[in-house]
Amino acid sequence: DTGVSQDPRHKITKRGQNVTFRCDPISEHNRLYWYRQTLGQGPEFLTYFQNEAQLEKSRLLSDRFSAERPKGSFSTLEIQRTEQGDSAMYLCASSLDREGNQPQHFGDGTRLSIL
Amino acid sequence: SQQGEEDPQALSIQEGENATMNCSYKTSINNLQWYRQNSGRGLVHLILIRSNEREKHSGRLRVTLDTSKKSSSLLITASRAADTASYFCATVDTGNNRLAFGKGNQVVVIP
Repeated sequence: DTGVSQDPRHKITKRGQNVTFRCDPISEHNRLYWYRQTLGQGPEFLTYFQNEAQLEKSRLLSDRFSAERPKGSFSTLEIQRTEQGDSAMYLCASSLDREGNQPQHFGDGTRLSIL
Repeated sequence: SQQGEEDPQALSIQEGENATMNCSYKTSINNLQWYRQNSGRGLVHLILIRSNEREKHSGRLRVTLDTSKKSSSLLITASRAADTASYFCATVDTGNNRLAFGKGNQVVVIP
């Protein structure tokens, strides 16, 4: 069973640099979500796609953040001009939502550390 | 924004005992889900209960939902050391698709 995979698992970069993360969802899943999780907290919703359409964005997603899902399969999340406050675990999840009552399947995340 | 508030936030029990966690929320929900997270890993879905359901079982897990009190509980029976993890409740509100998570419960099962 191929689950949700995220790459890289860890990213260390200097403040001000741009970073890009990739998520490969479960192949038949039409919905893809991005969350951010800081230490001791639950994940916070950032954005989600249905197929290639980005349908919702959180207010947490500042203009330095951009997400794409160009062919409705994998997705990328880019952070430009990183700040120390961007340090977090970035989690991707996917689901097959026909009725809105399906669980989300998570990857193991990308841990971002800003020096 | 954070939704659920789990209680207790940290729980330490002996192997074989039952572990109970509670979660409260504030909005009108479509469903409520419980997830487990081991340190440094992603979240694993445990169980989903819909707003018109009151109780659900899955193996050693039992979940209840009281929409009048806007609360849910997760019971893990006959706990094992492998159950050591953080447990999160998350709600899906009526009319949207995002999961709104609480801060989580840290459960330690002592062998």
